[in-house]
Amino acid sequence: ETGVTQSPTHLIKTRGQQVTLRCSSQSGHNTVSWYQQALGQGPQFIFQYYREEENGRGNFPPRFSGLQFPNYSSELNVNALELDDSALYLCASSARQGARTGELFFGEGSRLTVL
Amino acid sequence: QKEVEQNSGPLSVPEGAIASLNCTYSDRGSQSFFWYRQYSGKSPELIMFIYSNGDKEDGRFTAQLNKASQYVSLLIRDSQPSDSATYLCAVFPGGNNRKLIWGLGTSLAVNP
Repeated sequence: ETGVTQSPTHLIKTRGQQVTLRCSSQSGHNTVSWYQQALGQGPQFIFQYYREEENGRGNFPPRFSGLQFPNYSSELNVNALELDDSALYLCASSARQGARTGELFFGEGSRLTVL
Repeated sequence: QKEVEQNSGPLSVPEGAIASLNCTYSDRGSQSFFWYRQYSGKSPELIMFIYSNGDKEDGRFTAQLNKASQYVSLLIRDSQPSDSATYLCAVFPGGNNRKLIWGLGTSLAVNP
């Protein structure tokens, strides 16, 4: 069984640039969620994708956007980067089965530093 | 605003003791409850989930749910230094809301 993989693991960008983060979901999982986690904070929900459509979004501005592909892999795009976007970005996959959708399997994360 | 609250800690226990981590939630209609462990610099890892009132045991871990009082707890028996981590409580509201609500986590330190 293949776990959740994310790339890149670390990256440094400057303010105003754009970034794309990638995620491959765990085998058999059709739902992907993205989270932002700042140092010392709990994960903050960005959005969730199911069958290539966004079906839930947290309190993030439109410059945070995403995609899910037919193979359930996903991308997170952030435009016009700000210093506060520096964080660990986590991708999590799950199988959409009622309340069990809270059972998330996380990738190792992409640590973004904005200078 | 649906909230999940945890004591940030740090909670410090000696090796071999029972560590008790608590979480309260505001949405009375919440359906399912999850405990994740996160080591420093790593991603969260699911360790327990519970849906029904009462206790659920898995090895050294016991999750306890009391829906009437709106709290969920995690007990770690025979605590080991390797249990030192941040423990995140997450609550699934259910219905069409697919967004897990997360606490900020409790930092646990198990001292040899």
